[in-house]
Amino acid sequence: EPEVTQTPSHQVTQMGQEVILRCVPISNHLYFYWYRQILGQKVEFLVSFYNNEISEKSEIFDDQFSVERPDGSNFTLKIRSTKLEDSAMYFCASSEANGGLVNEQFFGPGTRLTVL
Amino acid sequence: AQKVTQAQTEISVVEKEDVTLDCVYETRDTTYYLFWYKQPPSGELVFLIRRNSFDEQNEISGRYSWNFQKSTSSFNFTITASQVVDSAVYFCALYTGANSKLTFGKGITLSVRP
Repeated sequence: EPEVTQTPSHQVTQMGQEVILRCVPISNHLYFYWYRQILGQKVEFLVSFYNNEISEKSEIFDDQFSVERPDGSNFTLKIRSTKLEDSAMYFCASSEANGGLVNEQFFGPGTRLTVL
Repeated sequence: AQKVTQAQTEISVVEKEDVTLDCVYETRDTTYYLFWYKQPPSGELVFLIRRNSFDEQNEISGRYSWNFQKSTSSFNFTITASQVVDSAVYFCALYTGANSKLTFGKGITLSVRP
């Protein structure tokens, strides 16, 4: 069964460093998402991406964040200069369609980011 | 604005008990979708069910059942004869056509004791 994959599973970095979290969405999906879950809290939307551009972003997704689909398979989240409060589990998700034709968003296993 | 409220934060039951997890949502959209996800201790999010706003039929899948009531804006989840493997955090989520994000509730931590 096709699945969303994410690498690495755990990333430890120093405050101020740049990190890139990688995701491979399901191959025929068109919409891609990043969510964040700070430990013990709810899952929060960061950004959605379609047709090589951002569809929507939350207030969390400030100038320190960027997303990219560098090739036909990968979808990346870059945090330019990490802060302690960026420590969280980051989930990538993908879905087949949007709007009136909604399928579930398939989530990857997550990348746990720890900023020291 | 969309909002999902899961008023219960932690529930502890003994194996074989039935347990209901509550979810109340708010949206002005007439077309929307409701989801339940399970997050086991390993951390991944596991899709359980999707229900659209035009389909108020309750659904049963094995030990799981869902009760969708538009009149009370609720989408409750019942686990019958709970098992230790059901121990997890359960999230209710809302999706509307007006945007492309899922809005999650805060989650309910379910502990099933042997």
